[in-house]
Amino acid sequence: DSGVTQTPKHLITATGQRVTLRCSPRSGDLSVYWYQQSLDQGLQFLIHYYNGEERAKGNILERFSAQQFPDLHSELNLSSLELGDSALYFCASQASGLDTQYFGPGTRLTVL
Amino acid sequence: AQSVTQPDIHITVSEGASLELRCNYSYGATPYLFWYVQSPGQGLQLLLKYFSGDTLVQGIKGFEAEFKRSQSSFNLRKPSVHWSDAAEYFCAVSGGPTDSWGKLQFGAGTQVVVTP
Repeated sequence: DSGVTQTPKHLITATGQRVTLRCSPRSGDLSVYWYQQSLDQGLQFLIHYYNGEERAKGNILERFSAQQFPDLHSELNLSSLELGDSALYFCASQASGLDTQYFGPGTRLTVL
Repeated sequence: AQSVTQPDIHITVSEGASLELRCNYSYGATPYLFWYVQSPGQGLQLLLKYFSGDTLVQGIKGFEAEFKRSQSSFNLRKPSVHWSDAAEYFCAVSGGPTDSWGKLQFGAGTQVVVTP
């Protein structure tokens, strides 16, 4: 158990819909990272938040957005879903730059 | 642009045999290198990391990796594999302080199958 929790574990929805994925970092970790794992794209970095502020963006679509709240949990919002958005979405938390990044178990999103 | 290549998509190894997984990176500055393991249905777990210093790095579960700057490689090794080592292994690189520390770029992964 990494100490990072993600909800829900599984999510099945239809094209065009909007979903929210939630991540609770390990106690005290200020950084949250989001990654997408799909069969065709592999593991890709999406976005990084540090103590509520966006720090870096990767290959994140405009239909996707994220935020980190004062209690440090983070949410990834995916809208106007397409079939190709079906993937495993991981969040990871980290205390500081040189520390280990701990991954959550992931949320498996299926878009039908 | 930085990139990570894992040349082997799939490796089959007998239990008790040695294992070596290859990783090549392309990065302009000093890379920060990682190996992660993903068991079926699980998240990623860090095996080891290299930031600087001794180029032979020891990790968890009996794994080690060697950083070779001249070959742009960071290969992962284990002298004797156990059935529980069957998993997917990912090499990753971070740009460190100049590029959002934790922004990891992953290789495509190597699936390891362990036979009795």
